[in-house]
Amino acid sequence: DVKVTQSSRYLVKRTGEKVFLECVQDMDHENMFWYRQDPGLGLRLIYFSYDVKMKEKGDIPEGYSVSREKKERFSLILESASTNQTSMYLCASSLGVAGALGNEQFFGPGTRLTVL
Amino acid sequence: SQQGEEDPQALSIQEGENATMNCSYKTSINNLQWYRQNSGRGLVHLILIRSNEREKHSGRLRVTLDTSKKSSSLLITASRAADTASYFCATDEEDSWGKFQFGAGTQVVVTP
Repeated sequence: DVKVTQSSRYLVKRTGEKVFLECVQDMDHENMFWYRQDPGLGLRLIYFSYDVKMKEKGDIPEGYSVSREKKERFSLILESASTNQTSMYLCASSLGVAGALGNEQFFGPGTRLTVL
Repeated sequence: SQQGEEDPQALSIQEGENATMNCSYKTSINNLQWYRQNSGRGLVHLILIRSNEREKHSGRLRVTLDTSKKSSSLLITASRAADTASYFCATDEEDSWGKFQFGAGTQVVVTP
């Protein structure tokens, strides 16, 4: 079974802190994704990566950066946390073949981040 | 911007009844997927339907896709309390390199 793990289930940080959220997948997937989930807004894509050291902005990249130094690990960084970044953060991975073949995304359990 | 939008936002039914939820989207897609999320958890993939397919079944799930109307529906038959969850559609746009757009979800409550 594919397993996607996230470093923390719950995290509390203070405004202005630098925050690292880690995600690891064990199925050699090329694609990895970071979403945030807020009530009534569904999942919004922050960043994704289709290969090591490659990254693409999603719909809401402002205030975030990412790092993918190894294939299995994709980190989300909040450079200076703000209260409006309080949210549930979900990491996902999928195989790299795009298009009509379709690739399901495998999700981690999520990190609920609170910024005070 | 959200590509898939689910309707209704919430649904409350009794065990044994069927649950139907709809998803509308805006652009051409390669495929459409449905996911389930139990409270406070990550999403779990349920079913994928390709753009050249019209209907697909998986156990108690039935998905339809109408590309002319840019809409899909998910039917859960003979619902159980364990089906209580939020359901999301996700669309894979034609040149998106496997990037999905998720809707806001339909929250389903199944009461015993």
